[in-house]
Amino acid sequence: DGGITQSPKYLFRKEGQNVTLSCEQNLNHDAMYWYRQDPGQGLRLIYYSQIVNDFQKGDIAEGYSVSREKKESFPLTVTSAQKNPTAFYLCASSQVRGTEAFFGQGTRLTVV
Amino acid sequence: AQRVTQPEKLLSVFKGAPVELKCNYSYSGSPELFWYVQYSRQRLQLLLRHISRESIKGFTADLNKGETSFHLKKPFAQEEDSAMYYCALSGGSNYKLTFGKGTLLTVNP
Repeated sequence: DGGITQSPKYLFRKEGQNVTLSCEQNLNHDAMYWYRQDPGQGLRLIYYSQIVNDFQKGDIAEGYSVSREKKESFPLTVTSAQKNPTAFYLCASSQVRGTEAFFGQGTRLTVV
Repeated sequence: AQRVTQPEKLLSVFKGAPVELKCNYSYSGSPELFWYVQYSRQRLQLLLRHISRESIKGFTADLNKGETSFHLKKPFAQEEDSAMYYCALSGGSNYKLTFGKGTLLTVNP
């Protein structure tokens, strides 16, 4: 069953702790993306990657970090430097520029 | 810089009425525009893209470069069209994909 998988669905962390969100795709897509979805804010781009071992900052990269060591994986770390980490996080992938992006089901992170 | 603006947060129409969801963009080159839809409890998915020039579920969208717009239209709305709609833009030689803030469409019976 091809697709893009995010795990876990819900994640709780204490303030001050780093946390890593998983995103895996078996669609053989080159590009992968991380978005943050907040009510009234739409989808805001955190990081994106066009190819293995390369990634670019999006519009709200501060307090986040990523890696792209494998084509199928693009984990996102929410660091303690992120001031408002509680949010819904979406991962996506696409084959080439201008083609359809496929989205995961999202991870809801709550920091208490 | 690339930017997408959806001026309406909420749009409510009655079944059978025409619907238009507005999208304006800012980009200096030749953009690629998309409409994505998120139905309740479902994943965000592609509805249509300007390069295809096709109609999906009765929806169409025309890229107007002069007005930098890509409005989504449907002549007769259905209750099942109720969802969150996002306009998105991909521009330049990179893969950056930028979304608007979304419009929540409610089609009333």
